[in-house]
Amino acid sequence: DAGVTQSPTHLIKTRGQHVTLRCSPISGHKSVSWYQQVLGQGPQFIFQYYEKEERGRGNFPDRFSARQFPNYSSELNVNALLLGDSALYLCASSTGGQGNSPLHFGNGTRLTVT
Amino acid sequence: DAKTTQPTSMDCAEGRAANLPCNHSTISGNEYVYWYRQIHSQGPQYIIHGLKNNETNEMASLIITEDRKSSTLILPHATLRDTAVYYCIVRVVYSGGGADGLTFGKGTHLIIQP
Repeated sequence: DAGVTQSPTHLIKTRGQHVTLRCSPISGHKSVSWYQQVLGQGPQFIFQYYEKEERGRGNFPDRFSARQFPNYSSELNVNALLLGDSALYLCASSTGGQGNSPLHFGNGTRLTVT
Repeated sequence: DAKTTQPTSMDCAEGRAANLPCNHSTISGNEYVYWYRQIHSQGPQYIIHGLKNNETNEMASLIITEDRKSSTLILPHATLRDTAVYYCIVRVVYSGGGADGLTFGKGTHLIIQP
């Protein structure tokens, strides 16, 4: 079975630009979450979506936005990129059955902002 | 802030059992203990989770103390491929429809020695 897939795997952008990252969840999973991981740190929660509704967001500025589509895939958008946005962006999916439903992660998109 | 405390790093000989401790003294009755690991440049991999009872699957065993204030992840026969950062995370059983994202700390860097 296919796991969580993310695209692109690597991306280089310039300060001030906009970026869109994409995620396809495991088949049957209705919840998608996004995490940011900077070098040397653990992943930090950005957004969670369930059944196309935002369930929650972490402590990130409004430059970060996301959405979930009817097929449960998701996009993360970041506007006005800053150097500090350089990170590994991880997508995770779960069935959405709350705490007893493990999150399964993709291998991420490595974003470099120059 | 992460609600768990883990050693920064540990070594283990190949073929031996690796025992990774985690302190979660402020855990609530409605929180699971989850373990993930992350190999360099990959997304976190789900290992195991539990609420009160000890759990075992094909990857590992999870031993939770009776007072639930600490736990130990056991990899029964460590191999070189088990070298990774291991994260111990507490997660609410039910968030009332709100976000139930994972709060990662810095984890334990487990190094398996040949």
